[in-house]
Amino acid sequence: DILMTQSPSSLSASVGDRVTITCRASQSISTYLNWYQQTPGKAPKLLIYAASNLQSGVPSRFSGSGSGTDFTLTISSLQPEDFATYYCQHNYRTPPFSFGGGTKVEIK
Amino acid sequence: EVQLFQSGAEVKKPGESLKISCKGFGYSFTNYWIGWVRQMPGKGLEWMGIIYPGDSDSRYSPSFRGQVTISADKSISTAYLQWSSLKASDTAMYYCASQDSGSFDYWGQGTQVTVSS
Repeated sequence: DILMTQSPSSLSASVGDRVTITCRASQSISTYLNWYQQTPGKAPKLLIYAASNLQSGVPSRFSGSGSGTDFTLTISSLQPEDFATYYCQHNYRTPPFSFGGGTKVEIK
Repeated sequence: EVQLFQSGAEVKKPGESLKISCKGFGYSFTNYWIGWVRQMPGKGLEWMGIIYPGDSDSRYSPSFRGQVTISADKSISTAYLQWSSLKASDTAMYYCASQDSGSFDYWGQGTQVTVSS
């Protein structure tokens, strides 16, 4: 099974900051990588699919990049509603399509 | 509009059985995989398994195979997650989600399952 590792596990940032979250796969997954956002008490929400494609309705301050084993999610200018936990997930070839451990973005 | 509605919160005792549901609206339920995701209290997301309602083809994470059963009734656009004998460690929030091209694009609201003696 493919192991997904996110870093950092948490970070503190201020409104307006540029934030970068990293996700590493234990083997090459091409661009079969998704990013989700979860706010407390809510279901996760798809932000980015296929490594760099913005889901409909997601603000353009979110972007994704990477291929192979290393991926990043970037928030260009952090907004108050972006304080949440972010998860990566692969969907390469066969299940299980595991998630990373999550990155909690907190207010500094 | 695509929507997934999950059944309500459950409180059960260890050893009891349980079946929770996820009903799809606003899309062709038969043609998209439905997945189940566990989130234990204060923890991250865990991929449990998926099912294709069109033919009930199902795939499980090794961590959950044999522990739960995923099924679907395409005639009523509903997927299920069931346990035959619950444990305290099954206490968690469970989400269903529809899968399009490999990503979970629509999610249910979640079903809280609490197992306590």
